[in-house]
Amino acid sequence: SQLAEENSWALSVHEGESVTVNCSYKTSITALQWYRQKSGKGPAQLILIRSNEREKRNGRLRATLDTSSQSSSLSITATRCEDTAVYFCATDAPNAYKVIFGKGTHLHVLP
Amino acid sequence: GPKVLQIPSHQIIDMGQMVTLNCDPVSNHLYFYWYKQILGQQMEFLVNFYNGKVMEKSKLFKDQFSVERPDGSYFTLKIQPTALEDSAVYFCASSGQGARNTEVFFGKGTRLTVV
Repeated sequence: SQLAEENSWALSVHEGESVTVNCSYKTSITALQWYRQKSGKGPAQLILIRSNEREKRNGRLRATLDTSSQSSSLSITATRCEDTAVYFCATDAPNAYKVIFGKGTHLHVLP
Repeated sequence: GPKVLQIPSHQIIDMGQMVTLNCDPVSNHLYFYWYKQILGQQMEFLVNFYNGKVMEKSKLFKDQFSVERPDGSYFTLKIQPTALEDSAVYFCASSGQGARNTEVFFGKGTRLTVV
């Protein structure tokens, strides 16, 4: 069963614009992770935000975490064509050593 | 940065045959994982492995699947016999600690086609 799920299947923006991908999750977590997967590649972790953190940044990326509503967001500012990818949120599973992925949001950044 | 290498990148195999997917995890990592992704769909957890043993496996990890890492060499996923529904991209991953609260590194995947 899915523990985390992104709220949009696909998003399109123009280069230079900002975009936010949202995620909701179902269980208590120690951390929530955002991954990016480009076509033909494996997922790469972008940001890991722990349950006691509310916000984390990594360059043009900003992740937020709201444990009361069990939701997270990943914002990308000044998007570039190379940001085109599938973005997954993933949670650690309770009492288990594995990461469970959501279905992903397909982001297209248009020139 | 640290890399997980997967060999081969593509494999085509006849249904019923055995296949072994190889993974060279990040040096000094202790936890290893296999995930399955059917084209355009979700990454699905198959199995994790630590200290020479399977810690947890999902329903997708059928009896025909097995994993091992003999003597610190490749971490392998073997499917014997293969079925058509095993066609997918298989991703290997590793982490220094368990997947919680730590970065998990993924390989580029092995695309398996069972015909």
